[in-house]
Amino acid sequence: NAGVTQTPKFQVLKTGQSMTLQCAQDMNHEYMSWYRQDPGMGLRLIHYSVGAGITDQGEVPNGYNVSRSTTEDFPLRLLSAAPSQTSVYFCASRPRTGSYNEQFFGPGTRLTVL
Amino acid sequence: GNSVTQMEGPVTLSEEAFLTINCTYTATGYPSLFWYVQYPGEGLQLLLKATKADDKGSNKGFEATYRKETTSFHLEKGSVQVSDSAVYFCALSDTSTLTFGKGTMLLVSP
Repeated sequence: NAGVTQTPKFQVLKTGQSMTLQCAQDMNHEYMSWYRQDPGMGLRLIHYSVGAGITDQGEVPNGYNVSRSTTEDFPLRLLSAAPSQTSVYFCASRPRTGSYNEQFFGPGTRLTVL
Repeated sequence: GNSVTQMEGPVTLSEEAFLTINCTYTATGYPSLFWYVQYPGEGLQLLLKATKADDKGSNKGFEATYRKETTSFHLEKGSVQVSDSAVYFCALSDTSTLTFGKGTMLLVSP
């Protein structure tokens, strides 16, 4: 049971480039979320999904797209990277019921946009 | 909307000192409350949780009690160790996602 996995671990982009951050979980969790972590800001929700085919915006969705074609995968796409998107990105998942809303986090992707 | 307020850090303590990190929240309904810990260079790990008023979550010597009357969930430990140095996040959840505080860095010196 690998839990929540994220790739890549580190990434450097130039302004305007696009890329996809990968997130996968093998716990059959319905709910998945993407957060970004910035110094002094805590973690802020970007997008989330309550099941395959269903996504919704969080607190800071601009500049990011998501899709959820399977229960296991929840990729985050940066359409045209900007320096303001330099951050550490965390993916999380939890089952729809039980666990009292506890979320399980991946190890993070550290992204730098030059 | 939901919000979580934590005391600002860094909190600097000597080994074996008593730790308190304050956390208060604003939420509609009856959220679950969590403390997560992030060690340097790592992701977030759940430290403890409480799901209803007066519940006490505990783990690894850390404790926090869900106080509905004061909307608080303060983290405490009686004797900190150098290995407790990390960033601690208070969080609440009443739906499908978490709302986090900004985090409190704890630095413990020998």
